[in-house]
Amino acid sequence: AQSVAQPEDQVNVAEGNPLTVKCTYSVSGNPYLFWYVQYPNRGLQFLLKYITGDNLVKGSYGFEAEFNKSQTSFHLKKPSALVSDSALYFCAVRDPYSTDSWGKLQFGAGTQVVVTP
Amino acid sequence: DADVTQTPRNRITKTGKRIMLECSQTKGHDRMYWYRQDPGLGLRLIYYSFDVKDINKGEISDGYSVSRQAQAKFSLSLESAIPNQTALYFCATSDLKTFSTDTQYFGPGTRLTVL
Repeated sequence: AQSVAQPEDQVNVAEGNPLTVKCTYSVSGNPYLFWYVQYPNRGLQFLLKYITGDNLVKGSYGFEAEFNKSQTSFHLKKPSALVSDSALYFCAVRDPYSTDSWGKLQFGAGTQVVVTP
Repeated sequence: DADVTQTPRNRITKTGKRIMLECSQTKGHDRMYWYRQDPGLGLRLIYYSFDVKDINKGEISDGYSVSRQAQAKFSLSLESAIPNQTALYFCATSDLKTFSTDTQYFGPGTRLTVL
């Protein structure tokens, strides 16, 4: 079975400061990991993914995430947050070696990011 | 993503009514999905379809049914709506060629309220 946890319901950060949104996962094998962002009244937008290779993944809008296998984490980061980064962020995971999970992403509960001017 | 559209965007209905939510995509993707979003629960998969002849239940399919009318169209029905089906519903698509990486593209959502 695959699962993902986002331990923080909300993250507050001042504009210009570093932003980190935490995600931990549980799968039986090596995971496929994703971050999506949801702006108000919009659908989810893909930010970045880790499939294999370099543990540091760069994505859209200046975001990056680091895959840490020993800590089973995939935290999303941005060096300098913008007010426009305020949104709901979702981490998602899939176990590519599980036939039961074919085509099915498991989403976390989401973390609301609030960036203040 | 403008290539995935959902209608209606908002709907208020009464308990017991039949409701259909529609999803269309112009991305040419084979795979389509229906999710519901509830505060604090993230997105949960209702149904998914890998092609026109393939329909699969997700983790919360009870009370819902789907129809894949064409590659580009995937409809979700609530045969007899109940208040705990009040939620934000999302359609998503993914490509056979990127299946292994599962990048999914989402519509704008339908906000459904069941009174």
